[in-house]
Amino acid sequence: DTEVTQTPKHLVMGMTNKKSLKCEQHMGHRAMYWYKQKAKKPPELMFVYSYEKLSINESVPSRFSPECPNSSLLNLHLHALQPEDSALYLCASSQGLAGVLDNEQFFGPGTRLTVL
Amino acid sequence: GNSVTQMEGPVTLSEEAFLTINCTYTATGYPSLFWYVQYPGEGLQLLLKATKADDKGSNKGFEATYRKETTSFHLEKGSVQVSDSAVYFCALTGYSTLTFGKGTMLLVSP
Repeated sequence: DTEVTQTPKHLVMGMTNKKSLKCEQHMGHRAMYWYKQKAKKPPELMFVYSYEKLSINESVPSRFSPECPNSSLLNLHLHALQPEDSALYLCASSQGLAGVLDNEQFFGPGTRLTVL
Repeated sequence: GNSVTQMEGPVTLSEEAFLTINCTYTATGYPSLFWYVQYPGEGLQLLLKATKADDKGSNKGFEATYRKETTSFHLEKGSVQVSDSAVYFCALTGYSTLTFGKGTMLLVSP
C-alpha cells in the first residue's frame, strides 16, 4: 500500500464550527506533514511530526491544532477559522526526516476546505 | 536558505510538441531534487526524482537530470499529450522539509 488517504474530500464550515481533518498511511512511514495550498500557489508547510512527536510548527495560528494519535494517523483539528483559511489541505508522509531515502514525500489527495 | 526558481507559466503547447520546463535551485549541501505534478482538483504526485549530481530521473516519458554545475533540474518530455495538462512543481529537500518552486501550468491542446 503506497497511498496516503485523507477524509473528508470536501468540507464546508462556519467560523464558529469545530471540525477535524484526517490523514492515514500504511507505509510504515515515521514522518507526517500538513500543508496548506491556496489556488495557483505551491503548498506551504504547516506542521511536521516525527515518530508521533511534533517536530516543526511553522508559526501556524492556534486555531489549527494537529494531533498524531499513532504512527499511521494524523489529524488536524479546526476551530474558529476565518474565511481566509479556505484552501486545499494536504497531508504527506515520508520514511523519516533525514537521509536520502527518507526525503521522498508521498502526498494525499487533499481536503478542500471552505470557511463561510 | 534553500530556494527554487522555475519558469513562469502557463506553457501552452500542441499535442506531440516537445516540452521543457526550466528549474534552477539554490541550496546548501547536497539536496535531493524532485518534480511533482498536480492535476486539476487533485493532490500532488511525485513525477520523478534525483538524489545526486548527474542522476537522471525519468517517469511516464518525462526526464530531468541533476546538474550541479548549473544548479538546474529541467523537466523535459519529447511528445506531450492532452492528459499531461497540469501544474508542475520543482522541489528540493535537504533535511526534513521540501522547498517548492512557484509551479508552472502546462496546457496541451489537441
